[in-house]
Amino acid sequence: SQQGEEDPQALSIQEGENATMNCSYKTSINNLQWYRQNSGRGLVHLILIRSNEREKHSGRLRVTLDTSKKSSSLLITASRAADTASYFCATDELGAGSYQLTFGKGTKLSVIP
Amino acid sequence: DTAVSQTPKYLVTQMGNDKSIKCEQNLGHDTMYWYKQDSKKFLKIMFSYNNKELIINETVPNRFSPKSPDKAHLNLHINSLELGDSAVYFCASSPYGSRVGTEAFFGQGTRLTVV
Repeated sequence: SQQGEEDPQALSIQEGENATMNCSYKTSINNLQWYRQNSGRGLVHLILIRSNEREKHSGRLRVTLDTSKKSSSLLITASRAADTASYFCATDELGAGSYQLTFGKGTKLSVIP
Repeated sequence: DTAVSQTPKYLVTQMGNDKSIKCEQNLGHDTMYWYKQDSKKFLKIMFSYNNKELIINETVPNRFSPKSPDKAHLNLHINSLELGDSAVYFCASSPYGSRVGTEAFFGQGTRLTVV
C-alpha cells in the first residue's frame, strides 16, 4: 500500500533558488529516507532521518521530520540545473515484520538555468 | 564497478512470452528486492529476499517468480507476459534485512515493454 505522498507533484524553479518538497505518511515509522531519480536512471539515496531525529543536514540538503504530523520536508538550497530529477520519500514502517521501504509518488523538480 | 547491476536494460517482447531479468550486487548485502515502477513513476515493492530466503511477497501475480541462487543474485522470471506488465523493474539491495533500517542501493532498471 502507498505510504508516502510527496507534495507538490511537480516543481519548477530558477537556478540558485531553494526547492522545498514535502512528504506525508500514514503509519508509525522507524526512519524516513529521501531518494533522487534522474530521468531513465535508478534511485540514489540522499539522506536518512530516524524517527527520533527532527532535522538532518547533508551538504545543500536539509531534511526535517515531524512524527506527530507524520510529515517530512526536503529542502535543497542554492539549486543547480543538475538537481533536476524526481525526488521520492520512502518510509520504513514500524512493526511491519520485515524490512521494506514504501515509496511515495515523487516530486518532479525542474531547475531552469 | 557497478554496485547493483541488472540485465537487460531494455526488454521488448510479445504478449504471452516468458522472460527473465537478472540482478547481481557486489556489495555483500544480505537483502535484495524487486520493485516495479509504473508509468506514473509509482514504485511498489514486489519481493524481498534475505540471505536467499523470501521474506516479502506482495500481491503479485503468480506469473512472477523470483529466484535467488545465492546472496548476491536475485533474478525475476515472468511467465505469460501481459500488456499490463509493461513497466520499469528495479532491483535493489541493502545491508540488513532487519529493523536496523539502512539505505537501499538500486540498479539502473529494466524497462519492459510488452507488445
